Amino acid sequence: EAQVTQNPRYLITVTGKKLTVTCSQNMNHEYMSWYRQDPGLGLRQIYYSMNVEVTDKGDVPEGYKVSRKEKRNFPLILESPSPNQTSLYFCASSSSPGRNTEAFFGQGTRLTVV
Amino acid sequence: DAKTTQPNSMESNEEEPVHLPCNHSTISGTDYIHWYRQLPSQGPEYVIHGLTSNVNNRMASLAIAEDRKSSTLILHRATLRDAAVYYCILYRNQFYFGTGTSLTVIP
Repeated sequence: EAQVTQNPRYLITVTGKKLTVTCSQNMNHEYMSWYRQDPGLGLRQIYYSMNVEVTDKGDVPEGYKVSRKEKRNFPLILESPSPNQTSLYFCASSSSPGRNTEAFFGQGTRLTVV
Repeated sequence: DAKTTQPNSMESNEEEPVHLPCNHSTISGTDYIHWYRQLPSQGPEYVIHGLTSNVNNRMASLAIAEDRKSSTLILHRATLRDAAVYYCILYRNQFYFGTGTSLTVIP
């Protein structure tokens, strides 16, 4: 089954404690991206990756890092989380940068930073 | 941003057709129109997309205006499982999600 898997689904952490949210896809997709979803703001892109070792900033990259060492995985790293990063996070993948393709989204990771 | 405008909410009776409108007056010639939906506690799910011509798939139909400044997602027979937030998106280097239309299906 084609899927994008995120872990963990729920996470509560304290300010400043580094964390990683993992994202893995089984469709051999080249393009992957991270979004955060906040009430009244819709989904906003954090980072995206066109292929292995190729990443770039989206609209709200501050406070986040990503890496793409292999095609299937695209972890999101918060080096020093702050309460304003409390949000619902989604990872997505597609075969190409989305213009004429379907994107697949993970189930989401609800992060609370206290 | 590639901005779209949708009503905040809509209601439909079960088993009736639903027409979800979207305005995208700033669309450019190469922008694809995508529709995704998000069920409660789930990630966005692809519904349909198109460029100029109307499109049909097993989930829905997409009607695109001739000038491409608006489009309509058509669910032919709404079911309770179609209750979700529907996002109309112009893909331009990335997906720009707005706040979408929250569809309520009344039994």
